[in-house]
Amino acid sequence: ETGVTQTPRHLVMGMTNKKSLKCEQHLGHNAMYWYKQSAKKPLELMFVYNFKEQTENNSVPSRFSPECPNSSHLFLHLHTLQPEDSALYLCASSQEYKMNYGYTFGSGTRLTVV
Amino acid sequence: GQNIDQPTEMTATEGAIVQINCTYQTSGFNGLFWYQQHAGEAPTFLSYNVLDGLEEKGRFSSFLSRSKGYSYLLLKELQMKDSASYLCAVRDRDYQLIWGAGTKLIIKP
Repeated sequence: ETGVTQTPRHLVMGMTNKKSLKCEQHLGHNAMYWYKQSAKKPLELMFVYNFKEQTENNSVPSRFSPECPNSSHLFLHLHTLQPEDSALYLCASSQEYKMNYGYTFGSGTRLTVV
Repeated sequence: GQNIDQPTEMTATEGAIVQINCTYQTSGFNGLFWYQQHAGEAPTFLSYNVLDGLEEKGRFSSFLSRSKGYSYLLLKELQMKDSASYLCAVRDRDYQLIWGAGTKLIIKP
């Protein structure tokens, strides 16, 4: 148990579907992150929430929509995705954003867009 | 631009020693991290270096030279369970984490 739980672990969706990824942490952390991990590429930071407020949106297409209802939960809403969006989506948390703390990652959601 | 370089893949033998290198060019430096990621699992924290020198933690050690923009992760007495990807990440002057693409380590019996 990593302390950060992501569901579902695997998701296959069509390009016209709408789905959501869920992330939950019970570590008392105040910052939460969404990352995209593609094969043989560096982790790509997508969104950052610090104390429930979105602080970073790294030019992510609008077909990805984050939501952070409280500091323990983070969602990534997906709609009209493209096949190139197929990747491992990782959620992470840290004590605070832009401070010298390490991250705790979830196991990720393996997304396949067909 | 900011860049982290590490080998794509390495192979080593069970019981041996392997060194995974990481070089970086970033806007400032506020620490370097190594994470281990087994296939299909979460990346997990291995080490953190902010000052030059060697940090030892059991079978794993991490070295940093800030003047050379260089770090390595040293794994001793390799075990089959060490087969994983190893991710290097540097925190820049704005405390943004810059990630390498990871090194896939394959351990053979």
